[in-house]
Amino acid sequence: GQQVMQIPQYQHVQEGEDFTTYCNSSTTLSNIQWYKQRPGGHPVFLIQLVKSGEVKKQKRLTFQFGEAKKNSSLHITATQTTDVGTYFCAVTGNQFYFGTGTSLTVIP
Amino acid sequence: EAGVAQSPRYKIIEKRQSVAFWCNPISGHATLYWYQQILGQGPKLLIQFQNNGVVDDSQLPKDRFSAERLKGVDSTLKIQPAKLEDSAVYLCASSLGFGAGEQYFGPGTRLTVT
Repeated sequence: GQQVMQIPQYQHVQEGEDFTTYCNSSTTLSNIQWYKQRPGGHPVFLIQLVKSGEVKKQKRLTFQFGEAKKNSSLHITATQTTDVGTYFCAVTGNQFYFGTGTSLTVIP
Repeated sequence: EAGVAQSPRYKIIEKRQSVAFWCNPISGHATLYWYQQILGQGPKLLIQFQNNGVVDDSQLPKDRFSAERLKGVDSTLKIQPAKLEDSAVYLCASSLGFGAGEQYFGPGTRLTVT
């Protein structure tokens, strides 16, 4: 079945530092989505990437889809306390899978 | 625009009891998903409907879980009988189209089985 791993599992950063989470698949992906889940909340859609090598930006967030469409990354520049939460990648193949998630803690 | 509605928000039952969850998706959304999220893990897709037809239920434990989406609008997920390992948050999501695109999640139902 589909294997989608995210690293790191946890990340603690000082406010203002950068943060990156990586999503790796064992198979080629048709597309990838990213979601954010605040503590106690539900997942909220951030973005979808479709094209090989695609890069999209949303303010301080940069999303990248690998050339081989087997991996993706989410980079946050100058983290803020509002960035706290768990970031999930999600992939569609024969089925819809969420990654294992990266839990981000931002220390003020 | 109203979001995805779920009820109840919390439920505590004893093992071997039955429980049902309800979801009302965003109006006009053809696809509805039920996920199980165990603490510390990512959501796991249980079943996906397009309108009132099942698209994928490969990860649904069919010996105890069932779901329906009559009339292609709201949906219910049932567990009968519940086991301790069913303790989780059950999330409902909907999307406009099929197979791709943004999913909108409801607040979830937190189930505790004792």
